[in-house]
Amino acid sequence: DAKTTQPPSMDCAEGRAANLPCNHSTISGNEYVYWYRQIHSQGPQYIIHGLKNNETNEMASLIITEDRKSSTLILPHATLRDTAVYYCIVRVPVNNAGNMLTFGGGTRLMVKP
Amino acid sequence: DSGVTQTPKHLITATGQRVTLRCSPRSGDLSVYWYQQSLDQGLQFLIQYYNGEERAKGNILERFSAQQFPDLHSELNLSSLELGDSALYFCASSVRGRALLYEQYFGPGTRLTVT
Repeated sequence: DAKTTQPPSMDCAEGRAANLPCNHSTISGNEYVYWYRQIHSQGPQYIIHGLKNNETNEMASLIITEDRKSSTLILPHATLRDTAVYYCIVRVPVNNAGNMLTFGGGTRLMVKP
Repeated sequence: DSGVTQTPKHLITATGQRVTLRCSPRSGDLSVYWYQQSLDQGLQFLIQYYNGEERAKGNILERFSAQQFPDLHSELNLSSLELGDSALYFCASSVRGRALLYEQYFGPGTRLTVT
């Protein structure tokens, strides 16, 4: 699986967009990018995933560069409740095999009033 | 609410004891995963079951074991407990379907404290 690199921490003002980068320069053609977050001591929460195209759901948008070597998770209007550790994970989904998630250090996002 | 339930929420026990953590996956999910989160190790995968069968193992100690029952709930058994086993234990479940395999839904966790 491709290795990911994320900044250890970021701050964002409440109401502003939070843009969380992830570098995955060794990603292969069939690897998806997944984003999760973990609010303090709660179970991790799935946010979004993508392969090539940009994706949007009710929680966030995922922008993947054309060469797929990096991506950005965008929280359009960050609130205090978005303060969490955000994890970028790259995996190849393979049926009938182990599908465990491997969590790195993530980015600790602090949303400030 | 992810739809995954875990019991108990908190567990305090002594070294050398044995405990059982229980997880009920979301309705319809066949895969159950167990993860451990300690302060110094971060989130680590322990073991996965799919429809009652062990599918993958991570860094799970020999003192730990798990199983998934016909009704798809799962139990994680921890024995000969040591202080270092104190951690948050999360269970997750996922649906079938390629890209969705990593769309996992986590329970609230069980906080285990070994004294």
